[in-house]
Amino acid sequence: NAGVTQTPKFRVLKTGQSMTLLCAQDMNHEYMYWYRQDPGMGLRLIHYSVGEGTTAKGEVPDGYNVSRLKKQNFLLGLESAAPSQTSVYFCASSVRQRTDTQYFGPGTRLTVL
Amino acid sequence: AQSVAQPEDQVNVAEGNPLTVKCTYSVSGNPYLFWYVQYPNRGLQFLLKYITGDNLVKGSYGFEAEFNKSQTSFHLKKPSALVSDSALYFCAVRDLYNNNDMRFGAGTRLTVKP
Repeated sequence: NAGVTQTPKFRVLKTGQSMTLLCAQDMNHEYMYWYRQDPGMGLRLIHYSVGEGTTAKGEVPDGYNVSRLKKQNFLLGLESAAPSQTSVYFCASSVRQRTDTQYFGPGTRLTVL
Repeated sequence: AQSVAQPEDQVNVAEGNPLTVKCTYSVSGNPYLFWYVQYPNRGLQFLLKYITGDNLVKGSYGFEAEFNKSQTSFHLKKPSALVSDSALYFCAVRDLYNNNDMRFGAGTRLTVKP
């Protein structure tokens, strides 16, 4: 099993450009999550999904959109990138939500100039 | 909202010595607490969790954590540190009042010197 994979690994955008980050998991997990990691702030939840076709806002959702058209994929979109969105983005998945371990992807390093 | 705090940005220990990485929590009700480790340029990896039961939780790679309700702490420990334990460690808590979102601490960088 590959676990949780993310593409791309690195990306540089100019302010105002758009892009989509792809997360895929092969563990048949119901729950998927997108986090951003900034120095000194730990990880903060952007959006999450409790199942195919569902999405919900997390702690810092502004400026991002997500979609979960297939159970194994969770897409994170930036419609108009801003320098404040420079960060490392992690996707994670879990079987259930409340007590279960989350499995993380390797991350995407995004720089917005 | 429920939260965790990691009071130390950096912890340095010598190889072979015991290590402790501190975490305190602020929750209403029973806490669901987790420790994750992040190696350079990698995603987070699960170490251990406390849901209920024995206050001493054993996890991966020889790590353990002690849940202390009176001190609202969940410190990560290892009896004998290895150089390969050098990494970034995150404590986290389930926020049961906000959709069970996972709330992470800011992280503690552990450096084990030979």
